[in-house]
Amino acid sequence: QVQLVGSGGGVVQPGRSMRLSCAASGFTFSTYGMHWVRQAPGKGLEWVAVLSHDGNNEYYANSVKGRFTISRDNSKNTLYLQMNSLRAEDTAVYYCAKVVRSGWYDDYLDYWGQGTLVTVSS
Amino acid sequence: EIVLTQSPATLSLSPGERATLSCRASQSVNSYLAWYQQKPGQAPRLLIYDASTRATGIPARFSGSGSGADFTLTISSLEPEDFAVYYCQHRANWPLTFGGGTKVEI
Repeated sequence: QVQLVGSGGGVVQPGRSMRLSCAASGFTFSTYGMHWVRQAPGKGLEWVAVLSHDGNNEYYANSVKGRFTISRDNSKNTLYLQMNSLRAEDTAVYYCAKVVRSGWYDDYLDYWGQGTLVTVSS
Repeated sequence: EIVLTQSPATLSLSPGERATLSCRASQSVNSYLAWYQQKPGQAPRLLIYDASTRATGIPARFSGSGSGADFTLTISSLEPEDFAVYYCQHRANWPLTFGGGTKVEI
């Protein structure tokens, strides 16, 4: 069965960096676009970034553009989110998610990880 | 950026009743709209995509309709497990965006 297991969250000071990982199993990771979506405590969902299956296409939310970088290692079935210059408003649960259709990246999200909490605080 | 506005913010209903949730886009998204359900402490679950296609394993009591800028999620007869927060999301262009959510409560 499809599993997405996120890791790498925790408490980080403003201005510092953190890298999240998402280990995928149960599907052919190298053929699916992958997304990061976040949710601030008590708030709604905010789309963060997407990366195509081959790594050639990536897009970001305006709120993280220039600070966050999405990447993947298809040999390790793992998705990453490098977060630099972190701000208090980046505090959220970060979810990785796979798209519905193989070969697509501008698609809906049918499987989600359990979420990993990032807290930006001094 | 396309803004999705969901209404109402909260819907108070009883099991067995019909729920009608609305999602309005600031510009046309064609039929490129999905609905998700989220329960406390859980990740979202895809219910409907392309406005009206049920995702795998989703019960028939969930249905979606609409196109362009106005969409509706209908739950024909609420089960106890349906009380949750529901979000719409478009994929018409970048950035993808989500609506603010509708909480369906007892």
